Amino acid sequence: AQSVTQPDIHITVSEGASLELRCNYSYGATPYLFWYVQSPGQGLQLLLKYFSGDTLVQGIKGFEAEFKRSQSSFNLRKPSVHWSDAAEYFCAVGASSGNTPLVFGKGTRLSVIA
Amino acid sequence: EAGVAQSPRYKIIEKRQSVAFWCNPISGHATLYWYQQILGQGPKLLIQFQNNGVVDDSQLPKDRFSAERLKGVDSTLKIQPAKLEDSAVYLCASTKGAQGGAGYTFGSGTRLTVV
Repeated sequence: AQSVTQPDIHITVSEGASLELRCNYSYGATPYLFWYVQSPGQGLQLLLKYFSGDTLVQGIKGFEAEFKRSQSSFNLRKPSVHWSDAAEYFCAVGASSGNTPLVFGKGTRLSVIA
Repeated sequence: EAGVAQSPRYKIIEKRQSVAFWCNPISGHATLYWYQQILGQGPKLLIQFQNNGVVDDSQLPKDRFSAERLKGVDSTLKIQPAKLEDSAVYLCASTKGAQGGAGYTFGSGTRLTVV
């Protein structure tokens, strides 16, 4: 069964600073990997996804993530954080075959300070 | 295209009462999911439908939770009787194909408070 670990519960960064949110997954085959963002009172919005091919994927709002199979990681990065990026971020893993639903991590809350 | 619609947005009930949530997925999306998101945690799958059939309900507390998806379109999730620990956001999501890993579109969720 798949599982996702997001080691950081809460991260605070200054506006304009770079950001990296960590995600480690467990899955026996090639995974599908996702990052979602959730603003307060809202549903989940897809930032980016990795299915295959180039291990560096670009997403919306200037985010990118890198798949590292050897480390079972899919860390999310942004070179310069904006105050509007403050939200909850969820990493999720899906199966590359079959009908298995997404499994989510517990999330990392991002705070942005001036 | 229209997104996944959920109602109500908020609901407050007393413990032991019943409650129902409604979800209308994106048109043409065959697969529908209900997730429970407790405050401070990630979403946890409750049930997955493929058209109007249940694919996975292994994590649904069947003594109090039920769900249906008549005609393979809209879905309702019911809790009866509610407990305090059912306080959470209930998220509905849908995907076009049968493969769950294709990426979901989520609704805004229903925030349930049980007092």
